[in-house]
Amino acid sequence: SQTIHQWPATLVQPVGSPLSLECTVEGTSNPNLYWYRQAAGRGLQLLFYSVGIGQISSEVPQNLSASRPQDRQFILSSKKLLLSDSGFYLCAWSGTGILYNEQFFGPGTRLTVL
Amino acid sequence: KQEVTQIPAALSVPEGENLVLNCSFTDSAIYNLQWFRQDPGKGLTSLLLIQSSQREQTSGRLNASLDKSSGRSTLYIAASQPGDSATYLCAVIYDNDMRFGAGTRLTVKP
Repeated sequence: SQTIHQWPATLVQPVGSPLSLECTVEGTSNPNLYWYRQAAGRGLQLLFYSVGIGQISSEVPQNLSASRPQDRQFILSSKKLLLSDSGFYLCAWSGTGILYNEQFFGPGTRLTVL
Repeated sequence: KQEVTQIPAALSVPEGENLVLNCSFTDSAIYNLQWFRQDPGKGLTSLLLIQSSQREQTSGRLNASLDKSSGRSTLYIAASQPGDSATYLCAVIYDNDMRFGAGTRLTVKP
């Protein structure tokens, strides 16, 4: 069966510090991968998606970047965090093919920027 | 513009009641529709995926229906339990696009 992991589970970082969040998927090959942010009291915002190694598409301009160094690894990064980067970050995967079709989510990372 | 609306935003019911959560969408050219549940501070758990060619899907006490022509999907929960308390989100999947609703926060009181 497929599983998706995210770490860390929680993170408190000062403004201006770097960020690296990691997501890994097990039990599937060549998945589509996604990063979302869920701010307090707001809906899900798609940040990035990837259809393959090294292929990253950005949905919104922001202070963040994403990378996919391996087939089942997706990393969300920032060089300098802003207060507005605080939120709940969710990684998701779906099978090869139609984007967004039947996604499965990880447990999330709670990021607080102080 | 593709918009997804979930009504009500919040719902509180006594244990044992049957209930319906609504999801409406403006663009009926959907590919699939997926219902999720989110517990506080947790990720999203997939409940049901209903394909555009289907009218409904069932899993245990859950039944999701889809009416593309009217731009609506409903999630029916039978015999609600306190453990059903969570936020329920629908996601409408289009060709190379997707829209999430803001969710319905459900509280089932013992």
